[in-house]
Amino acid sequence: GAGVSQSPSNKVTEKGKDVELRCDPISGHTALYWYRQRLGQGLEFLIYFQGNSAPDKSGLPSDRFSAERTGESVSTLTIQRTQQEDSAVYLCASSLRVTGELFFGEGSRLTVL
Amino acid sequence: AQSVTQLDSHVSVSEGTPVLLRCNYSSSYSPSLFWYVQHPNKGLQLLLKYTSAATLVKGINGFEAEFKKSETSFHLTKPSAHMSDAAEYFCVVSDLDKLVFGAGTILRVKS
Repeated sequence: GAGVSQSPSNKVTEKGKDVELRCDPISGHTALYWYRQRLGQGLEFLIYFQGNSAPDKSGLPSDRFSAERTGESVSTLTIQRTQQEDSAVYLCASSLRVTGELFFGEGSRLTVL
Repeated sequence: AQSVTQLDSHVSVSEGTPVLLRCNYSSSYSPSLFWYVQHPNKGLQLLLKYTSAATLVKGINGFEAEFKKSETSFHLTKPSAHMSDAAEYFCVVSDLDKLVFGAGTILRVKS
């Protein structure tokens, strides 16, 4: 596609349920990032994939959060046993190289009731 | 590890007056530096980037930023604010590894 695609754009779930968010990066982009943006706050780094290297998971807030990426394609961010504090916009971005321009998706807005 | 500090969480200017959004960084190496903008209900967009070429970088919409190594700063400026500049601005640093975002500065433009 022409840009980074994220789905779903909006997700409302009940506390305790699992959710899966999907990111389809720009073709050929080796770097992929997940960020979280809570209401009124800045971007919080979650996880970073670079090619076939081991991902940098240092930003994941708890073991309820995990992410996978197959090669240089689609990535999924999974949140298990969701809590109300998980409510945020989850942004995915991809880049042609580590220090290149990031191209962001529109985000997935998660609301945990 | 690299880090970035945006010194103002909110900046308010009148239309037609200069804009200054401040950013200081910390990096062990020669960093790449970026400014991104996020308009309400829109995705993030790259404004400009510094990658060790000219220290004064010009971006879109009349914005520019100057890399000052001695001050470890990368402040964003614009000579004359426009109402459409109202948005949140993020300073970003990268050296050898992942990009790190500042907390953001919300720019308000008064008519």
